[in-house]
Amino acid sequence: SQKIEQNSEALNIQEGKTATLTCNYTNYSPAYLQWYRQDPGRGPVFLLLIRENEKEKRKERLKVTFDTTLKQSLFHITASQPADSATYLCALGSMEYGNKLVFGAGTILRVKS
Amino acid sequence: NAGVTQTPKFQVLKTGQSMTLQCAQDMNHNSMYWYRQDPGMGLRLIYYSASEGTTDKGEVPNGYNVSRLNKREFSLRLESAAPSQTSVYFCASQSLGGTYEQYFGPGTRLTVT
Repeated sequence: SQKIEQNSEALNIQEGKTATLTCNYTNYSPAYLQWYRQDPGRGPVFLLLIRENEKEKRKERLKVTFDTTLKQSLFHITASQPADSATYLCALGSMEYGNKLVFGAGTILRVKS
Repeated sequence: NAGVTQTPKFQVLKTGQSMTLQCAQDMNHNSMYWYRQDPGMGLRLIYYSASEGTTDKGEVPNGYNVSRLNKREFSLRLESAAPSQTSVYFCASQSLGGTYEQYFGPGTRLTVT
């Protein structure tokens, strides 16, 4: 079955630094990968999508890379701020599976001022 | 635009009781989903509906039933609640154009004693 691994330990960084979160997967050939942000007590909110034929995607301070050979995505937040503190989830999707998403467990990011 | 709404926000049940979680979306999406989220396990798909009139099992369907009442509404029913169903439940709808992003409701925190 498909398996997605994200850093199980929380990532603690200093304000202004770049946060890098990892998403690794096995037994899956996704057509696309998404990143979501989840704040405590709320539902996830979509951030970015990257397709299998794209190496990198940027949106403001966010950058996502997708390496289908390594079966890995990296999610970067540059110039991090305390407001970036949240749980970040990666999700894989494919039209082959009817666009149902498979989610990782998420990584908690804490940005300290 | 309310997006995705869920009721109730909180619920406490005794073992064996039944209840229905309600979900509605106003974005005219065909696809809707029910997930449960448990600590350390991420979002797991319970049931989904690719379009009005169709429903299919996800990863963890046992103990649940669903109804796609119309294009807007997708309900989740627990016929005989068990402590193992204590969780946070999220409903989502999905845009199939562009980013395939899922829009999540605020969640229902269910405790079964």
